Amino acid sequence: EDQVTQSPEALRLQEGESSSLNCSYTVSGLRGLFWYRQDPGKGPEFLFTLYSAGEEKEKERLKATLTKKESFLHITAPKPEDSATYLCAVQASVPPGSEKLVFGKGTKLTVNP
Amino acid sequence: DTAVSQTPKYLVTQMGNDKSIKCEQNLGHDTMYWYKQDSKKFLKIMFSYNNKELIINETVPNRFSPKSPDKAHLNLHINSLELGDSAVYFCASSQTLRVGETQYFGPGTRLLVL
Repeated sequence: EDQVTQSPEALRLQEGESSSLNCSYTVSGLRGLFWYRQDPGKGPEFLFTLYSAGEEKEKERLKATLTKKESFLHITAPKPEDSATYLCAVQASVPPGSEKLVFGKGTKLTVNP
Repeated sequence: DTAVSQTPKYLVTQMGNDKSIKCEQNLGHDTMYWYKQDSKKFLKIMFSYNNKELIINETVPNRFSPKSPDKAHLNLHINSLELGDSAVYFCASSQTLRVGETQYFGPGTRLLVL
């Protein structure tokens, strides 16, 4: 069964203190790894898709990387507005039903001013 | 311009009642989904529809019945509500059924069963 494990469960940073979030996955043929951001009381907001090991994507202070077993979301010089829960999800290559996203439990990030 | 919208945003009801949640997307997407996020914040697929046809039914009790009147709408009807149905329900859509397509989520419907 496809599994996604995110660590840490919660992370507190000071503004400007860079860090990384981890997403480990076990999946039968990865077709896509997705990062979402979820603010309290809102739906997940799409950030990145990574398709193959070695791929990297960047957006403002966020950079996502992918290996064959895990993905990292690096946050450089975070600001308080980066505080949110970050969700990782995978899609497998075995049809049918492979279009479903299998989510991790998320990492709740708090950035203090 | 809301891409994926859901109504109602909050739903408080008694055990045993029947309720519906509506979802609409204005993105022109072919595929729509229902996810459930439980109290531990774990987000899990329930159903997916492609062009009004059911594709995934992820071992959800048959008290839950999705209905897609057209490809822009996917409603969720729940019969005989139970305490354990309390959760946040998210609708999502993607351009196609192809693996790797980005799924866009609605704001969620917070259901509380008393």
